Amino acid sequence: AQSVTQLDSHVSVSEGTPVLLRCNYSSSYSPSLFWYVQHPNKGLQLLLKYTSAATLVKGINGFEAEFKKSETSFHLTKPSAHMSDAAEYFCVVSAGDYKLSFGAGTTVTVRA
Amino acid sequence: DAGVIQSPRHEVTEMGQEVTLRCKPISGHDYLFWYRQTMMRGLELLIYFNNNVPIDDSGMPEDRFSAKMPNASFSTLKIQPSEPRDSAVYFCASTPGLFVGVTEAFFGQGTRLTVV
Repeated sequence: AQSVTQLDSHVSVSEGTPVLLRCNYSSSYSPSLFWYVQHPNKGLQLLLKYTSAATLVKGINGFEAEFKKSETSFHLTKPSAHMSDAAEYFCVVSAGDYKLSFGAGTTVTVRA
Repeated sequence: DAGVIQSPRHEVTEMGQEVTLRCKPISGHDYLFWYRQTMMRGLELLIYFNNNVPIDDSGMPEDRFSAKMPNASFSTLKIQPSEPRDSAVYFCASTPGLFVGVTEAFFGQGTRLTVV
């Protein structure tokens, strides 16, 4: 079985400050982990993915995430938030089959 | 490629009516998934196909829901009769393989269904 917990339902940051979105997972197998972003009234876009090649994963738009097996975490960060980063973010885990387990989502608000 | 294409983008219908949602996956992708997104339950997998064959429909909420994939480039999700609690955003996604290695899911823009 696999599951994902996103520790914050809402994160508010000022433009230009760092963003941290926290994600913990559980998986019986070596997981594949993803972060997706959903802008209002849009579909889900892949930000980045971890597939065991490297623990620090760089994605699009300046985002990166670090896989920490000992902590079962896959937190998403960005050093400097932009207004366009306002969206909902989903942490997703797969055990390597067809099932994707989605976290509940974290809504990011960026203050000018 | 234009990505996964869903139609319509928005659908408003009256309770009891039949609703058909459509999806065109990315060419060459062997797997197609239908998801439903609601505030209460988040993203749920309804059904997935492999090479046009339904493999797991355990997420389909009830018999009012049905899905087909008559060929590799087209799938439908039908609700008959529709009910207000079916109001949600329905996403279609496709992938060339299962979620190992570098495989990821590619999502469409979604269909926002409102049943009044």
